[in-house]
Amino acid sequence: AQSVSQHNHHVILSEAASLELGCNYSYGGTVNLFWYVQYPGQHLQLLLKYFSGDPLVKGIKGFEAEFIKSKFSFNLRKPSVQWSDTAEYFCAVTSNRDDKIIFGKGTRLHILP
Amino acid sequence: GAVVSQHPSWVICKSGTSVKIECRSLDFQATTMFWYRQFPKQSLMLMATSNEGSKATYEQGVEKDKFLINHASLTLSTLTVTSAHPEDSSFYICSARDGGDGTDTQYFGPGTRLTVL
Repeated sequence: AQSVSQHNHHVILSEAASLELGCNYSYGGTVNLFWYVQYPGQHLQLLLKYFSGDPLVKGIKGFEAEFIKSKFSFNLRKPSVQWSDTAEYFCAVTSNRDDKIIFGKGTRLHILP
Repeated sequence: GAVVSQHPSWVICKSGTSVKIECRSLDFQATTMFWYRQFPKQSLMLMATSNEGSKATYEQGVEKDKFLINHASLTLSTLTVTSAHPEDSSFYICSARDGGDGTDTQYFGPGTRLTVL
């Protein structure tokens, strides 16, 4: 079955620490990959996406993600986090086989000031 | 950037009444829109896929007669919760797919919090 796994459910970091959030997917065919962020009290916003080309994708607010096809992974990274990065992060996948976007369960990131 | 709006942002209603939620894509045309529920501290649960001019496709376990979806134009989809009950209280989120850039990215609305008394 198609699925997206986010291994870290809750991450706590201090400001300036480096961040890596794991995402693995199980999906046949050509995939598009996304990271969305939901800040407290706000709606889902697109951080970055991969659909083809350079597997290292740069998004907003200093985030980047790397698509590693052999590992079925699309991990999110940021070299130095800020308190304002406190939010919930969702990895998501779409396929050329159907309309649906499949979300991971989310990772709650808490940055200590 | 692509913007999706929802109206109302929150609604409180009595049990047994119906509530309509609107989802609009403001600066792009969306042939496909999606409706989700989000439970506290959980991920989004897809309820249905709405295609402009045709019937919505519902996910397993979602009652189509209870959650009526209409996608009358390329920028508007509505979700009507009929005969609402307290267990329908939830956060309802829509998304609209922008196929214009070839990536089929979904952009999400701010959500509607429904409370049924």
